Amino acid sequence: KAGVTQTPRYLIKTRGQQVTLSCSPISGHRSVSWYQQTPGQGLQFLFEYFSETQRNKGNFPGRFSGRQFSNSRSEMNVSTLELGDSALYLCASSLSSLDGYTFGSGTRLTVV
Amino acid sequence: AQTVTQSQPEMSVQEAETVTLSCTYDTSESDYYLFWYKQPPSRQMILVIRQEAYKQQNATENRFSVNFQKAAKSFSLKISDSQLGDAAMYFCAAAETSGSRLTFGEGTQLTVNP
Repeated sequence: KAGVTQTPRYLIKTRGQQVTLSCSPISGHRSVSWYQQTPGQGLQFLFEYFSETQRNKGNFPGRFSGRQFSNSRSEMNVSTLELGDSALYLCASSLSSLDGYTFGSGTRLTVV
Repeated sequence: AQTVTQSQPEMSVQEAETVTLSCTYDTSESDYYLFWYKQPPSRQMILVIRQEAYKQQNATENRFSVNFQKAAKSFSLKISDSQLGDAAMYFCAAAETSGSRLTFGEGTQLTVNP
């Protein structure tokens, strides 16, 4: 079966711009989570959506937002980009916590 | 809140040998899940093995096994018969059974020498 698909794989944006990242979960998975990975901070949880509702949120500023559609696909938006937002953004989908989380290959965002 | 600590930033092992990666965690939850993920240079996080905290039996997946010490809050990963393809960054992670957030450790970079 198809895995978790993230698009685009690479993105270069300028400070102050906004960006939208997309994640298509494994078919049947209703939970989609987003993580930011940087060399300095490691892997940090951004938020999780389940059945179109944000169920959990990490400690990130309001510039980071997301949404989930009825087909479980999710988008993450970052407004007013800062240099520190440069990171690998990973999406994961899951049936349940016990089943574990299947990750996509990530979107590498570079802010210049 | 949960915290996960991996005290070994780097480890190396000879091909066909055995290596153990360490992980400790802290949680106020009575029930939770623990995971080991592998991240090769391709960047994709791959689930290696998972453990349910209420199960005393250590999880095993082929060459991968864990040593789960609940009282000590320790969750180490043993890789037997190491292969070149095992070279990657390994992350230990914890999740509450009632929640959906993974808390990751800092990672251990594993090198496999031929």
